[in-house]
Amino acid sequence: NAGVTQTPKFRILKIGQSMTLQCTQDMNHNYMYWYRQDPGMGLKLIYYSVGAGITDKGEVPNGYNVSRSTTEDFPLRLELAAPSQTSVYFCAIRDGPGGYTFGSGTRLTVV
Amino acid sequence: AQSVTQPDIHITVSEGASLELRCNYSYGATPYLFWYVQSPGQGLQLLLKYFSGDTLVQGIKGFEAEFKRSQSSFNLRKPSVHWSDAAEYFCAVIPSGYALNFGKGTSLLVTP
Repeated sequence: NAGVTQTPKFRILKIGQSMTLQCTQDMNHNYMYWYRQDPGMGLKLIYYSVGAGITDKGEVPNGYNVSRSTTEDFPLRLELAAPSQTSVYFCAIRDGPGGYTFGSGTRLTVV
Repeated sequence: AQSVTQPDIHITVSEGASLELRCNYSYGATPYLFWYVQSPGQGLQLLLKYFSGDTLVQGIKGFEAEFKRSQSSFNLRKPSVHWSDAAEYFCAVIPSGYALNFGKGTSLLVTP
């Protein structure tokens, strides 16, 4: 997963707390994505960005916010954590025609 | 509705046996098609992809997939499964726009 860095790798949050999942790429690509993965459900798109300053909602955006002030960074913000947001979160970049690179993921538990 | 379907949630095969994982899509045009593999606790690794041309696509780790337009399918195959192939397999498409749309995955168990 070289080129896409996600932090933290693990996190436990209490209900109502907030946090930011970080995603950084060093390959200067415009397209970046946030997915969540739940058992038996595959990966669902939360938000995506086609360049600095441009973001859009995916399939499951509720409870999340994003920003893209630079090409390199695409943080995902949880404002009021809920148990339903317990999941594994993956950041990805589009690094060519039909080419995608995924980060190693952040495992989040909300208790 | 546009979707990607992996009909088999779990599949068990014996080591050395052949494998076929099914994937069907429902989109108006032929999307870009992908297969990814995820080992437990790991990220996603691309096995192969299809954009156009030859409908039989070769990938890494001895996997191949065949695109069948008439059946809207993109099934993944391997002639002889190894114990290290045990993992979760995801079919994905890019129907249009920019983002991968994933199926729910098939969990592969390999028995001795």
